[in-house]
Amino acid sequence: DAKTTQPPSMDCAEGRAANLPCNHSTISGNEYVYWYRQIHSQGPQYIIHGLKNNETNEMASLIITEDRKSSTLILPHATLRDTAVYYCIARSGTASKLTFGTGTRLQVTL
Amino acid sequence: EPEVTQTPSHQVTQMGQEVILRCVPISNHLYFYWYRQILGQKVEFLVSFYNNEISEKSEIFDDQFSVERPDGSNFTLKIRSTKLEDSAMYFCASTRSSSSYEQYFGPGTRLTVT
Repeated sequence: DAKTTQPPSMDCAEGRAANLPCNHSTISGNEYVYWYRQIHSQGPQYIIHGLKNNETNEMASLIITEDRKSSTLILPHATLRDTAVYYCIARSGTASKLTFGTGTRLQVTL
Repeated sequence: EPEVTQTPSHQVTQMGQEVILRCVPISNHLYFYWYRQILGQKVEFLVSFYNNEISEKSEIFDDQFSVERPDGSNFTLKIRSTKLEDSAMYFCASTRSSSSYEQYFGPGTRLTVT
């Protein structure tokens, strides 16, 4: 699976959009971009995934650049409960393992 | 909403003892996983399990580890002779099918080896 690079930490004011970037410049054509988050020491939670098109669900939006070398996870109206570590993962296949990096620690503040 | 459950939430054991961590995956799921997270470090893959066989394992998953699905609902991780460095959060996860994208994680078991 391709290596991903994320900033170690970010802050966001409550109610604002949180934009979390991820670089995956060596991603291959069959690798999807996945985002998970981990709130405190809980189990990771799936957020969204995409291949090349932008995706949106009830939690977030995923914007993938045309060359697929980077992506941005957008939480449109961050709340205090969105404070967590966010992981961007490049992964081929669906039933295969997830390889977690160090992620981005998002702190949402009042 | 169905969820993965894990027991116990916290296990304390002495070095050299055997421990069994238990997981109940979501009922119609077919693929099962164990991950661990040492305090302050990354979540690391240990093993995946499908059709009563290990499908993939990491270098961490050595001979002291084993997994089993003893009945239709439980999925267990056994550590034969625990070491201090086995202290970590252990997460179980499951996926419905080979075409499913999302892995569902349990809340974890905190293992403390003294």
